[in-house]
Amino acid sequence: RKEVEQDPGPFNVPEGATVAFNCTYSNSASQSFFWYRQDCRKEPKLLMSVYSSGNEDGRFTAQLNRASQYISLLIRDSKLSDSATYLCVVNGRRGSGNTGKLIFGQGTTLQVKP
Amino acid sequence: EADIYQTPRYLVIGTGKKITLECSQTMGHDKMYWYQQDPGMELHLIHYSYGVNSTEKGDLSSESTVSRIRTEHFPLTLESARPSHTSQYLCASNGGPNQPQHFGDGTRLSIL
Repeated sequence: RKEVEQDPGPFNVPEGATVAFNCTYSNSASQSFFWYRQDCRKEPKLLMSVYSSGNEDGRFTAQLNRASQYISLLIRDSKLSDSATYLCVVNGRRGSGNTGKLIFGQGTTLQVKP
Repeated sequence: EADIYQTPRYLVIGTGKKITLECSQTMGHDKMYWYQQDPGMELHLIHYSYGVNSTEKGDLSSESTVSRIRTEHFPLTLESARPSHTSQYLCASNGGPNQPQHFGDGTRLSIL
């Protein structure tokens, strides 16, 4: 089982739609959670950190459910420019000399259509 | 914007050549990483470093090697390039295990 799992999609939605992505992680000791955005043939860029209480940045809302070990990203009023791959990122295991690398999910592809 | 730079952006080169991909950051980050990513596929960690003179292999086996002689510099070397090394190589850094990573623009490598 992968440490971070995402539905790869693609999610094809019309402009203006609300879309939600979920991500599950296996390490209950993880402490840091992020969503990244990656455009085609570009580097990943930090979209937002995910806090325990949930957080919002404009049209984007991130939530964390520690009990169920999942993270979600909600995008409201989708724009054409939101088309990209969204990566769920969690910090990894500690112990055995591992100081907690970030683990990237395989990404969920979103395609917003006019 | 994060200050992490990779050169070259694109490299097309013949089989058997020695290649060094450069990565530098000006943020004073101790932790640096190299990822390999094929088009449409997920990121794979191939090397990381937690400070000067510290290097570790990542989750994906790679024939490349890295060095970390200075905090700001983390070059990746392929002694003898092969077509199977064709991919995008992304460098990243962060200030701590709970901090987000910042990525360079990547090097798109093509071995003929």
